[in-house]
Amino acid sequence: EVQLVESGGGLVQPGGSLRLSCAASGFTFSSYWMSWVRQAPGKGLEWVANIKQDGSEKYYVDSVKGRFTISRDNAKNSLYLQMNSLRAEDTAVYYCASKYGPRYFDYWGQGTLVTVSS
Amino acid sequence: QSALTQPRSVSGSPGQSVTISCTGTSSDVGGYNYVSWYQQHPGKAPKLMIYDVNKRPSGVPDRFSGSKSGNTASLTISGLQAEDEADYYCCSYAGSYTVVFGGGTKLTVL
Repeated sequence: EVQLVESGGGLVQPGGSLRLSCAASGFTFSSYWMSWVRQAPGKGLEWVANIKQDGSEKYYVDSVKGRFTISRDNAKNSLYLQMNSLRAEDTAVYYCASKYGPRYFDYWGQGTLVTVSS
Repeated sequence: QSALTQPRSVSGSPGQSVTISCTGTSSDVGGYNYVSWYQQHPGKAPKLMIYDVNKRPSGVPDRFSGSKSGNTASLTISGLQAEDEADYYCCSYAGSYTVVFGGGTKLTVL
């Protein structure tokens, strides 16, 4: 059974940093693109970042470029999102998702809530 | 990276059919056959319902179907059931390994 379990969310002050983790199991993690998708309270889904199977390519939505960094450790079957210079508008549930190339997100975690507030 | 346009809400009675539209541009929906649809119940993670415009993953009922014409994709749910009540999001590849979601549509089963 495929499982994606996010952790690391919490309350952080504006300008602060947070590192999210996603532990994957039940599939060959190293064979998949991986992504982070977020959802602000009461709002829709927003793609945040993608990373290629070997970590050599990374892509970001414009609003997080230069502030967020996606990374992975295939030996640990883990995905990460380092979030710096956080803003109130980054408040959201962050989902980890496996991605079938450019085509679709096939498996999703349950999400971790990040709240940016003073 | 502008969001795709979906109606905020649609509704239908049990047994009826509903269609949810998703309008983008030639740079996303119209440019690629990589439109997917996700169902999200309150407090739950999204679930893939349709991929590559009109393909269904294993386990998704054939009451769910997808199509595309030009810059607009559509999700049709036939034989509505109470459990279909949820939020639905379209998503399209937008080039350069980026994707864009629609704003979401709340489906109410009357």
